Amino acid sequence: AAGVIQSPRHLIKEKRETATLKCYPIPRHDTVYWYQQGPGQDPQFLISFYEKMQSDKGSIPDRFSAQQFSDYHSELNMSSLELGDSALYFCASSKAGAAFSGNTIYFGEGSWLTVV
Amino acid sequence: KQEVTQIPAALSVPEGENLVLNCSFTDSAIYNLQWFRQDPGKGLTSLLLIQSSQREQTSGRLNASLDKSSGRSTLYIAASQPGDSATYLCAALLNNAGNMLTFGGGTRLMVKP
Repeated sequence: AAGVIQSPRHLIKEKRETATLKCYPIPRHDTVYWYQQGPGQDPQFLISFYEKMQSDKGSIPDRFSAQQFSDYHSELNMSSLELGDSALYFCASSKAGAAFSGNTIYFGEGSWLTVV
Repeated sequence: KQEVTQIPAALSVPEGENLVLNCSFTDSAIYNLQWFRQDPGKGLTSLLLIQSSQREQTSGRLNASLDKSSGRSTLYIAASQPGDSATYLCAALLNNAGNMLTFGGGTRLMVKP
């Protein structure tokens, strides 16, 4: 079965540079979530989208922005990168917002961002 | 603020043993609770999802229970195998937190052959 696809899988950037992560949800899933997992930490919610509209916002820095496109894929844009942004970034998807549908949230393999 | 705690943080057992992983949450107003498995450097694999109206869910050798009143969930793994070695995370979806999952710190499980 198709899973959540994230690209790139690994990314190395220098401080103050910009990075873009892409996420392709499971087909027919309309809700996308972004999480950040720092080394040795549990995943922290950043932001989510339902039907191309932002639905919830978590601890996403102002330097980060995200959007969901008409084909339901999503991109996380990170600017003015800092060393502390080095983390594993997960994208997840579900059919309808999980809070209302009770549907399972499926996670991708993650994108490793290293800021040097 | 919802807090999710997992005990123990690490667990090492011999192959074949039955084991229980614990997850506690402070706010009982949850939509559901989901258990995940994470291998080192890998993504999160969903294992079981328990709705707030359910008491337990089973999948193969895994059984997850939910007791909202006591703020607890347990993941029972029967006849553990070395391939079960991974970090197990529980995550709660709160009634008033939209689509945000709150994760526990995880339990690192090592099953020795």
